[in-house]
Amino acid sequence: EVQLLESGGGLVQPGGSLRLSCAASGFTFSSYAMNWVRQAPGKGLEWVSVITSTSDTTFYADSVKGRFTISRDNSKNTLHLQMNSLRAEDTAVYYCARKGIVGGSNPLDYWGQGTLVTVSS
Amino acid sequence: DIQLTQSPSFLSASVGDRVTITCRASQGISSYLAWYQQKPGKAPNLLIYTASTLQSGVPSRFSGSGSGTEFTLTISSLEPEDFATYYCHQLDSYPSTFGGGTKVEIK
Repeated sequence: EVQLLESGGGLVQPGGSLRLSCAASGFTFSSYAMNWVRQAPGKGLEWVSVITSTSDTTFYADSVKGRFTISRDNSKNTLHLQMNSLRAEDTAVYYCARKGIVGGSNPLDYWGQGTLVTVSS
Repeated sequence: DIQLTQSPSFLSASVGDRVTITCRASQGISSYLAWYQQKPGKAPNLLIYTASTLQSGVPSRFSGSGSGTEFTLTISSLEPEDFATYYCHQLDSYPSTFGGGTKVEIK
Protein backbone atom coordinates (compact mmCIF):
# COMPACT_ATOMS: atom_id res chain seq x y z
CA GLU A 1 0.00 0.00 0.00
CA VAL A 2 1.35 3.39 -1.02
CA GLN A 3 1.78 5.70 1.97
CA LEU A 4 3.07 9.26 2.21
CA LEU A 5 3.52 10.75 5.65
CA GLU A 6 4.41 14.42 6.04
CA SER A 7 6.02 15.89 9.14
CA GLY A 8 7.78 19.03 10.27
CA GLY A 9 4.93 21.52 10.23
CA GLY A 10 4.30 23.94 13.05
CA LEU A 11 4.23 27.57 14.13
CA VAL A 12 7.06 29.79 12.91
CA GLN A 13 7.62 33.55 13.00
CA PRO A 14 7.72 35.62 9.82
CA GLY A 15 11.19 35.47 8.33
CA GLY A 16 11.86 32.11 9.93
CA SER A 17 12.62 28.72 8.44
CA LEU A 18 11.08 25.28 8.54
CA ARG A 19 11.94 21.95 6.93
CA LEU A 20 9.16 19.61 5.94
CA SER A 21 9.67 15.91 5.32
CA CYS A 22 7.60 13.27 3.59
CA ALA A 23 8.30 9.61 4.32
CA ALA A 24 7.28 7.32 1.48
CA SER A 25 6.53 3.61 1.59
CA GLY A 26 4.77 0.92 -0.41
CA PHE A 27 6.37 1.77 -3.75
CA THR A 28 9.78 2.21 -5.38
CA PHE A 29 10.35 5.81 -4.30
CA SER A 30 13.40 6.30 -6.53
CA SER A 31 11.30 5.71 -9.66
CA TYR A 32 8.85 8.58 -9.18
CA ALA A 33 8.92 12.34 -9.36
CA MET A 34 7.48 13.97 -6.26
CA ASN A 35 5.58 17.19 -5.66
CA TRP A 36 4.60 19.56 -2.89
CA VAL A 37 1.14 21.16 -3.04
CA ARG A 38 -0.26 23.54 -0.43
CA GLN A 39 -3.66 24.77 0.62
CA ALA A 40 -4.18 27.94 2.65
CA PRO A 41 -7.03 27.80 5.19
CA GLY A 42 -10.36 27.86 3.35
CA LYS A 43 -8.67 28.28 -0.03
CA GLY A 44 -7.91 26.17 -3.08
CA LEU A 45 -4.94 24.03 -3.99
CA GLU A 46 -1.66 25.67 -5.00
CA TRP A 47 1.12 23.69 -6.64
CA VAL A 48 4.48 24.47 -4.98
CA SER A 49 7.31 22.38 -6.40
CA VAL A 50 8.39 19.18 -8.14
CA ILE A 51 11.58 17.13 -8.18
CA THR A 52 12.41 14.40 -10.67
CA SER A 53 13.17 10.85 -9.55
CA THR A 54 16.93 11.39 -9.78
CA SER A 55 16.90 14.96 -8.41
CA ASP A 56 18.34 16.30 -11.66
CA THR A 57 15.50 18.75 -12.26
CA THR A 58 13.34 20.88 -9.99
CA PHE A 59 10.64 23.46 -10.63
CA TYR A 60 8.98 25.96 -8.30
CA ALA A 61 5.94 28.18 -8.22
CA ASP A 62 6.82 31.84 -8.64
CA SER A 63 5.45 32.52 -5.16
CA VAL A 64 8.16 30.41 -3.49
CA LYS A 65 11.05 30.59 -5.95
CA GLY A 66 14.28 31.60 -4.24
CA ARG A 67 12.87 30.88 -0.76
CA PHE A 68 11.95 27.18 -0.88
CA THR A 69 14.15 24.24 -1.87
CA ILE A 70 12.88 20.77 -2.69
CA SER A 71 15.16 17.79 -2.25
CA ARG A 72 14.98 14.04 -1.79
CA ASP A 73 16.99 11.18 -0.32
CA ASN A 74 16.25 8.04 -2.31
CA SER A 75 18.27 5.92 0.11
CA LYS A 76 15.85 6.91 2.87
CA ASN A 77 12.67 7.17 0.75
CA THR A 78 12.21 10.72 1.93
CA LEU A 79 11.20 13.99 0.31
CA HIS A 80 12.00 17.37 1.85
CA LEU A 81 10.95 20.98 1.50
CA GLN A 82 13.26 23.57 3.03
CA MET A 83 11.29 26.77 3.55
CA ASN A 84 13.18 29.99 4.30
CA SER A 85 12.13 33.63 4.68
CA LEU A 86 8.63 32.51 5.54
CA ARG A 87 5.72 34.91 5.17
CA ALA A 88 2.21 34.99 6.57
CA GLU A 89 0.91 34.02 3.13
CA ASP A 90 2.84 30.74 3.32
CA THR A 91 0.44 29.58 6.04
CA ALA A 92 -1.15 26.42 4.66
CA VAL A 93 -1.47 22.69 4.85
CA TYR A 94 1.40 21.25 2.83
CA TYR A 95 0.84 17.98 0.99
CA CYS A 96 3.42 15.77 -0.64
CA ALA A 97 2.12 13.94 -3.70
CA ARG A 98 3.51 11.31 -6.02
CA LYS A 99 3.56 12.02 -9.71
CA GLY A 100 2.17 8.86 -11.24
CA ILE A 101 3.46 7.06 -14.30
CA VAL A 102 0.21 6.60 -16.22
CA GLY A 103 -0.73 7.81 -19.66
CA GLY A 104 0.94 10.95 -20.87
CA SER A 105 -0.03 13.39 -18.20
CA ASN A 106 1.33 11.63 -15.12
CA PRO A 107 -1.09 13.09 -12.56
CA LEU A 108 -0.67 13.25 -8.79
CA ASP A 109 -1.98 9.81 -7.94
CA TYR A 110 -1.16 9.51 -4.24
CA TRP A 111 -1.19 12.24 -1.59
CA GLY A 112 -0.14 12.42 2.04
CA GLN A 113 -2.48 13.63 4.77
CA GLY A 114 -0.75 17.01 4.96
CA THR A 115 1.14 18.99 7.59
CA LEU A 116 0.07 22.44 8.76
CA VAL A 117 2.50 25.34 8.61
CA THR A 118 1.47 28.53 10.41
CA VAL A 119 3.53 31.68 9.95
CA SER A 120 2.65 34.20 12.61
CA SER A 121 4.23 36.37 15.26
CA ASP B 1 2.12 30.58 -16.74
CA ILE B 2 -1.01 28.67 -17.67
CA GLN B 3 -4.15 29.79 -15.85
CA LEU B 4 -7.07 27.44 -15.26
CA THR B 5 -10.54 28.92 -14.78
CA GLN B 6 -13.18 26.67 -13.31
CA SER B 7 -16.89 27.33 -13.48
CA PRO B 8 -19.05 27.47 -11.59
CA SER B 9 -17.16 28.06 -8.34
CA PHE B 10 -20.20 26.89 -6.40
CA LEU B 11 -22.96 24.51 -7.39
CA SER B 12 -26.07 23.46 -5.48
CA ALA B 13 -27.57 20.16 -6.62
CA SER B 14 -29.71 17.24 -5.51
CA VAL B 15 -28.99 13.54 -5.30
CA GLY B 16 -29.59 12.07 -8.74
CA ASP B 17 -28.81 15.28 -10.63
CA ARG B 18 -26.43 15.39 -13.58
CA VAL B 19 -23.63 17.83 -12.84
CA THR B 20 -21.10 19.39 -15.22
CA ILE B 21 -18.05 21.41 -14.22
CA THR B 22 -15.97 23.30 -16.76
CA CYS B 23 -12.26 24.07 -16.72
CA ARG B 24 -10.77 26.48 -19.25
CA ALA B 25 -7.03 26.85 -19.82
CA SER B 26 -5.44 30.14 -20.83
CA GLN B 27 -3.52 28.31 -23.56
CA GLY B 28 -3.66 24.88 -25.13
CA ILE B 29 -2.62 22.00 -22.90
CA SER B 30 -3.48 19.09 -25.20
CA SER B 31 -5.04 16.47 -22.89
CA TYR B 32 -2.69 17.05 -19.97
CA LEU B 33 -5.45 17.68 -17.46
CA ALA B 34 -6.50 15.86 -14.31
CA TRP B 35 -9.48 16.18 -11.98
CA TYR B 36 -9.43 15.69 -8.22
CA GLN B 37 -12.10 15.45 -5.54
CA GLN B 38 -11.47 16.84 -2.08
CA LYS B 39 -13.61 16.42 1.01
CA PRO B 40 -13.23 18.65 4.09
CA GLY B 41 -10.13 17.89 6.12
CA LYS B 42 -8.90 15.31 3.62
CA ALA B 43 -6.27 15.20 0.92
CA PRO B 44 -7.38 15.44 -2.72
CA ASN B 45 -8.22 12.21 -4.51
CA LEU B 46 -7.44 11.64 -8.19
CA LEU B 47 -10.56 11.03 -10.30
CA ILE B 48 -9.55 11.47 -13.93
CA TYR B 49 -6.29 11.97 -15.82
CA THR B 50 -5.32 12.69 -19.40
CA ALA B 51 -8.64 14.56 -19.57
CA SER B 52 -10.85 11.50 -19.86
CA THR B 53 -9.23 8.41 -18.30
CA LEU B 54 -10.94 7.21 -15.14
CA GLN B 55 -8.56 6.43 -12.29
CA SER B 56 -8.80 2.87 -11.00
CA GLY B 57 -11.51 2.47 -8.38
CA VAL B 58 -13.39 5.65 -9.31
CA PRO B 59 -17.10 5.08 -10.01
CA SER B 60 -18.18 5.16 -13.65
CA ARG B 61 -20.66 7.98 -12.98
CA PHE B 62 -17.64 10.27 -13.22
CA SER B 63 -16.42 11.16 -16.70
CA GLY B 64 -14.15 13.74 -18.27
CA SER B 65 -13.84 15.19 -21.72
CA GLY B 66 -12.10 17.90 -23.68
CA SER B 67 -8.75 18.84 -25.09
CA GLY B 68 -6.83 21.99 -25.89
CA THR B 69 -8.34 24.72 -23.74
CA GLU B 70 -11.77 23.48 -22.67
CA PHE B 71 -12.49 20.54 -20.42
CA THR B 72 -15.47 19.19 -18.52
CA LEU B 73 -16.03 16.90 -15.57
CA THR B 74 -19.45 15.27 -15.49
CA ILE B 75 -21.13 13.35 -12.71
CA SER B 76 -23.99 11.51 -14.38
CA SER B 77 -26.10 10.98 -11.26
CA LEU B 78 -25.00 12.65 -8.05
CA GLU B 79 -24.62 10.40 -5.01
CA PRO B 80 -24.52 11.65 -1.39
CA GLU B 81 -20.78 10.93 -1.16
CA ASP B 82 -20.10 13.17 -4.18
CA PHE B 83 -20.74 16.39 -2.30
CA ALA B 84 -17.22 17.81 -2.21
CA THR B 85 -14.92 20.29 -3.92
CA TYR B 86 -13.50 19.46 -7.34
CA TYR B 87 -10.28 20.80 -8.85
CA CYS B 88 -8.79 20.64 -12.33
CA HIS B 89 -5.00 20.51 -12.67
CA GLN B 90 -2.82 21.09 -15.73
CA LEU B 91 0.27 18.96 -16.22
CA ASP B 92 1.29 20.34 -19.59
CA SER B 93 4.06 22.60 -18.37
CA TYR B 94 5.66 24.02 -15.26
CA PRO B 95 4.74 25.81 -13.16
CA SER B 96 1.88 23.36 -12.81
CA THR B 97 -1.41 24.99 -11.84
CA PHE B 98 -4.80 24.15 -10.36
CA GLY B 99 -8.19 25.61 -11.06
CA GLY B 100 -9.88 27.58 -8.32
CA GLY B 101 -12.20 24.73 -7.39
CA THR B 102 -15.92 23.98 -7.62
CA LYS B 103 -17.78 23.26 -4.42
CA VAL B 104 -20.76 20.95 -4.94
CA GLU B 105 -23.29 21.28 -2.15
CA ILE B 106 -26.60 19.67 -1.38
CA LYS B 107 -29.65 21.65 -2.52
